[in-house]
Amino acid sequence: KQEVTQIPAALSVPEGENLVLNCSFTDSAIYNLQWFRQDPGKGLTSLLLIQSSQREQTSGRLNASLDKSSGRSTLYIAASQPGDSATYLCARVDAGAGSYQLTFGKGTKLSVIP
Amino acid sequence: NAGVTQTPKFQVLKTGQSMTLQCAQDMNHEYMSWYRQDPGMGLRLIHYSVGAGITDQGEVPNGYNVSRSTTEDFPLRLLSAAPSQTSVYFCASRLGMAGELFFGEGSRLTVL
Repeated sequence: KQEVTQIPAALSVPEGENLVLNCSFTDSAIYNLQWFRQDPGKGLTSLLLIQSSQREQTSGRLNASLDKSSGRSTLYIAASQPGDSATYLCARVDAGAGSYQLTFGKGTKLSVIP
Repeated sequence: NAGVTQTPKFQVLKTGQSMTLQCAQDMNHEYMSWYRQDPGMGLRLIHYSVGAGITDQGEVPNGYNVSRSTTEDFPLRLLSAAPSQTSVYFCASRLGMAGELFFGEGSRLTVL
């Protein structure tokens, strides 16, 4: 079974700080990698999808990178805001019999302090 | 577009009761799936479907049934509820084999 690890489990930063969330995985033969945000009591919202042929994706203040050789992905958040407070999950996508399946990390809970 | 819609949002059952969690998407996505999310366990795949009439088991399928008679709907049935099935259930869909995954808001189920 594939493993996805997100460390730390929780992170607290002051507003305005730039920060990096980490995602590591075993086995570099992933198909693609997706980052999600989850607010308390809500579903997951897709942030960025990095295809296996790409090294990074950007959306606004968010930048996600993928280094398959080292088994790592990072989510960079620039100029953090209190509204960025949420749990951030990464998921690797692997080809399986008949479909492509996701394996999720357990997430990093981010708190941005005003 | 409403995206992925789940009903009900909250449900309390007694052990042994059965029920169906509904999931509908209006994005014409081929792939649909059900996950459960438990503290310390993360998200685990229950069942998935790659198109109407096609379903398959995920990581934790025991105690659950699914069917896919239309592209839009993918209901999850609990046959005989057990306290171990207390969880938050999420339905998700995507276009194509490995596209971006979209989630519903979740259904919180408590089995007493």
